[in-house]
Amino acid sequence: DGGITQSPKYLFRKEGQNVTLSCEQNLNHDAMYWYRQDPGQGLRLIYYSQIVNDFQKGDIAEGYSVSREKKESFPLTVTSAQKNPTAFYLCASSGDRGGVGQFFGPGTRLTVL
Amino acid sequence: DAKTTQPNSMESNEEEPVHLPCNHSTISGTDYIHWYRQLPSQGPEYVIHGLTSNVNNRMASLAIAEDRKSSTLILHRATLRDAAVYYCILRDVFGGGSNYKLTFGKGTLLTVNP
Repeated sequence: DGGITQSPKYLFRKEGQNVTLSCEQNLNHDAMYWYRQDPGQGLRLIYYSQIVNDFQKGDIAEGYSVSREKKESFPLTVTSAQKNPTAFYLCASSGDRGGVGQFFGPGTRLTVL
Repeated sequence: DAKTTQPNSMESNEEEPVHLPCNHSTISGTDYIHWYRQLPSQGPEYVIHGLTSNVNNRMASLAIAEDRKSSTLILHRATLRDAAVYYCILRDVFGGGSNYKLTFGKGTLLTVNP
């Protein structure tokens, strides 16, 4: 089955530690996205990538970093510079660079202890 | 960025039609109107999108006003599985037309009563 996988589903980290969230897709999509969602709020775009080896900052990129070395993978690193990292993180991909019909993964819930 | 306005919440009864409104008075001529929905603790799911004409698919219908300043997502027969947050989104175009993003607001929380 084609789809997007995110791992782990739940993640706990100590304050001051970097942590990397995984996102893999087998839909052969060019574009991939990372969003953050806080309780009762909509999604906010962190980073996006339209093609391999290229990515752009979204609305809230500070304290985050990404890489896009392979078409199917777009890992997100939450660094210690992110002041309030506890949130629900969602990865998405799209078959066209217009973002029409974005497919989302199940999400990773990150909690900073 | 063009913005959308949706009611915070709506309620419906099972097997009745549901009309979810969205206002987007600052929409530009090249903005597509997208609808997504999100069940609790899950990622959003694409529902439908359109530009000017009304659209139908297996999940819902999208009715777009003639002036495009508003639209309505129509669920023809609500089921308990339709209870979710529904987002109305305009597709932003920037970067010389080659880059796009979707801006999610708070959406409308739809409750379906049995």
